[in-house]
Amino acid sequence: EPEVTQTPSHQVTQMGQEVILRCVPISNHLYFYWYRQILGQKVEFLVSFYNNEISEKSEIFDDQFSVERPDGSNFTLKIRSTKLEDSAMYFCASRGQGDNEQFFGPGTRLTVL
Amino acid sequence: KNEVEQSPQNLTAQEGEFITINCSYSVGISALHWLQQHPGGGIVSLFMLSSGKKKHGRLIATINIQEKHSSLHITASHPRDSAVYICAVTGNTDKLIFGTGTRLQVFP
Repeated sequence: EPEVTQTPSHQVTQMGQEVILRCVPISNHLYFYWYRQILGQKVEFLVSFYNNEISEKSEIFDDQFSVERPDGSNFTLKIRSTKLEDSAMYFCASRGQGDNEQFFGPGTRLTVL
Repeated sequence: KNEVEQSPQNLTAQEGEFITINCSYSVGISALHWLQQHPGGGIVSLFMLSSGKKKHGRLIATINIQEKHSSLHITASHPRDSAVYICAVTGNTDKLIFGTGTRLQVFP
């Protein structure tokens, strides 16, 4: 069964460093999302992406964040200069055309020291 | 005020018990989703519904659009059902708005 994959599963970085979180959505899906979950809190929407551009972004998704679909398979989230409060689990999700169900990847746990 | 509220926050049950988790929302929705989050963190979609009732195995989800309320029921609960159950909605855009989750523990 097709699935969303994410790498790495755990990333540890120093404050101020750039990180890139990678996702491979399900191959025929056209809509892509990033969500995050700070430990002990609810999952929050970051950004949605369709047709090579951002469809919607939340207040969390400031200038330090960017997303890219560099090729036909990868979907990346970049944090330019990480802060302690960026420590969270980051989930990628994708969905197909005409389908409201989003399929989630296993997440990347980001720890900023 | 949270747009999606769940109750209870925590729930313990003995194996075999019938379980109900409730979700209320305050925004207009196009669909309501029930998801399961395992201890390792992974999120799995259980149901997506916009009206009525859906059943999958021992899981049943219902929604009342007029009352802006949904319930997730688990019949004949089992320890492997232990997880966090999350209610989320999609409104006038396709982003998911999540509730805080209900942590369920089922003991043998």
